Amino acid sequence: EVQLVESGGGLVQPGGSLRLSCVASGFTFITYAMHWVRQAPGKGLEFVSSISGNGGTTYYTNSVKGRFTISRDNSKNTLYLQMGSLRAEDMAVYYCARGEYGSGNYYDTWGQGTLVTVSS
Amino acid sequence: QLVLTQSPSASASLGASVKLTCTLSSGHSSYAVAWHQQQPEKGPRYLMKVNSDGSYSKGDGIPDRFSGSSSGAERYLTISSLQSEDEADYYCQTWGTGNCVFGGGTKLTVL
Repeated sequence: EVQLVESGGGLVQPGGSLRLSCVASGFTFITYAMHWVRQAPGKGLEFVSSISGNGGTTYYTNSVKGRFTISRDNSKNTLYLQMGSLRAEDMAVYYCARGEYGSGNYYDTWGQGTLVTVSS
Repeated sequence: QLVLTQSPSASASLGASVKLTCTLSSGHSSYAVAWHQQQPEKGPRYLMKVNSDGSYSKGDGIPDRFSGSSSGAERYLTISSLQSEDEADYYCQTWGTGNCVFGGGTKLTVL
């Protein structure tokens, strides 16, 4: 069974840092692009970042550039999101998602999400 | 600029059918979109990918009641024989140059 399990969310003060993890199982991790998507309370889905299968290509939404870093450890089947200089507007449920085989651009599997709360 | 437009809300009766629309912005009518369902208090679930030629491919375990189609810049998700558990938010999604784009979502109410 294809599965994505996020962890690492929690309460952090403004300006603080947090690292999210997403452990993948049930598929050959290295052959898929992976993505982070977030959803603020009561809002829609928002793309955060993506990374190619070999980690060589990354993309970020403008609001997190320079503050967030996406990475992956293919030996551990794990995706990461290092978040720094956190702001109130970063508060959201963060989901990892698998990009479809081939283009990697359409999400065909989602995790259950992990909540990041930014508050003093 | 690549934009996906969805109506904020839709409603239909139990057992009826409903067709949700996702409209691609000008110049992007060849793009495919994926449809995702988000039930209350749950994470998103992938439903299907709809191509510009109207073909579609569904995710594992998605019931036959769900189907997709296309016309020009519009991509559709049709749900037939509506059930109470279909009450959810539905998002379309595509990919531009180095950036994923989501529609604003349609909240479907099953009456």
